Amino acid sequence: TQLLEQSPQFLSIQEGENLTVYCNSSSVFSSLQWYRQEPGEGPVLLVTVVTGGEVKKLKRLTFQFGDARKDSSLHITAAQPGDTGLYLCAGPNTGNQFYFGTGTSLTVIP
Amino acid sequence: EPEVTQTPSHQVTQMGQEVILRCVPISNHLYFYWYRQILGQKVEFLVSFYNNEISEKSEIFDDQFSVERPDGSNFTLKIRSTKLEDSAMYFCASRVWRDSPLHFGNGTRLTVT
Repeated sequence: TQLLEQSPQFLSIQEGENLTVYCNSSSVFSSLQWYRQEPGEGPVLLVTVVTGGEVKKLKRLTFQFGDARKDSSLHITAAQPGDTGLYLCAGPNTGNQFYFGTGTSLTVIP
Repeated sequence: EPEVTQTPSHQVTQMGQEVILRCVPISNHLYFYWYRQILGQKVEFLVSFYNNEISEKSEIFDDQFSVERPDGSNFTLKIRSTKLEDSAMYFCASRVWRDSPLHFGNGTRLTVT
């Protein structure tokens, strides 16, 4: 089993602050995906990173894939209340399965 | 934009009863999945389905669980004899190719009493 550990597990910040969420594994992944999940809904894909060292930006969100493809980070600049949610990283195994990380629950306080 | 749809949104059942959770994946997708998420916990893989057969399943997916794609559009998860610990959100997901991202439905909240 390829485990994905996310940190922190919970994060509560004020609107306008910056934050970084980490996703770490001892295994190499061919790609990693980041999802955001709101209460009562399914996870929604934010981004896929494929190449070691890759950086992708989605408005105020910056995603980075580690050089060794074992870890990834999500940085949010000037967080807004609409960013509140559960952030999940996920990666495929060699078959058809996706492993999900332990999740980071973000609350942005207005 | 096409989406994965799941019904019902909420199912309440008594322990020992059978339940069937239904999903309609995106029409051109080839890989289908069921995941579950117990309240406050991580998203857990149950089973993947490709080419009309199970391709992988987790330890959670025991003999009480089965999946079916009866008519080329619906994808169902059956739990034969529900237990209290089966209470969770069940998510269906699909994707086009093996390396493409997963698209999730909004889930079915199963409550076993």
